[in-house]
Amino acid sequence: AQRVTQPEKLLSVFKGAPVELKCNYSYSGSPELFWYVQYSRQRLQLLLRHISRESIKGFTADLNKGETSFHLKKPFAQEEDSAMYYCALSAPAGGTSYGKLTFGQGTILTVHP
Amino acid sequence: NAGVTQTPKFQVLKTGQSMTLQCAQDMNHNSMYWYRQDPGMGLRLIYYSASEGTTDKGEVPNGYNVSRLNKREFSLRLESAAPSQTSVYFCASSERGREDYGYTFGSGTRLTVV
Repeated sequence: AQRVTQPEKLLSVFKGAPVELKCNYSYSGSPELFWYVQYSRQRLQLLLRHISRESIKGFTADLNKGETSFHLKKPFAQEEDSAMYYCALSAPAGGTSYGKLTFGQGTILTVHP
Repeated sequence: NAGVTQTPKFQVLKTGQSMTLQCAQDMNHNSMYWYRQDPGMGLRLIYYSASEGTTDKGEVPNGYNVSRLNKREFSLRLESAAPSQTSVYFCASSERGREDYGYTFGSGTRLTVV
């Protein structure tokens, strides 16, 4: 069974400090991994995909297959980064369940001034 | 460009009442999903529709039914609401195979069952 675990429900940092949101997954094979973000009073939106290897709003995430992790990092947190962050997993393209996302429990990030 | 539109935004039901949550997308996506969001549980898949004419159960389907009315619309029905169904419900759509693949979410429906 596929599973996504975000061990931290809450994470607080000060503005300018580095931040790392942890995500561990369980999957037999090579999944696709995503980070979604939900800002206050806004809808959930895609932040980044591991396939794209992109950096969005200064965030990056590296897939570590050995540790089955996909941690989200930002070197200098900003107050506007305060939000709920979800890590999510999908079967790879071509799989029968491709498209269905399994979400972690979410981490609420608060960046203090 | 509306994306994914959900109605209603808020609803209060009495135990045993029924209601239908509506969802429509205008991005010509094939796949649509219903999730519920509960504190400490993340988002859990209720039902999904990989393409028009098909629906499948997700992780927590009990107490719900769905209808994929056409490619645009995917509704979620609670036949006899229970307090355990108090939650925030999100509809989403996606298109497999696109380079910018990812879910587009609706703004959510906050449902309270008393």
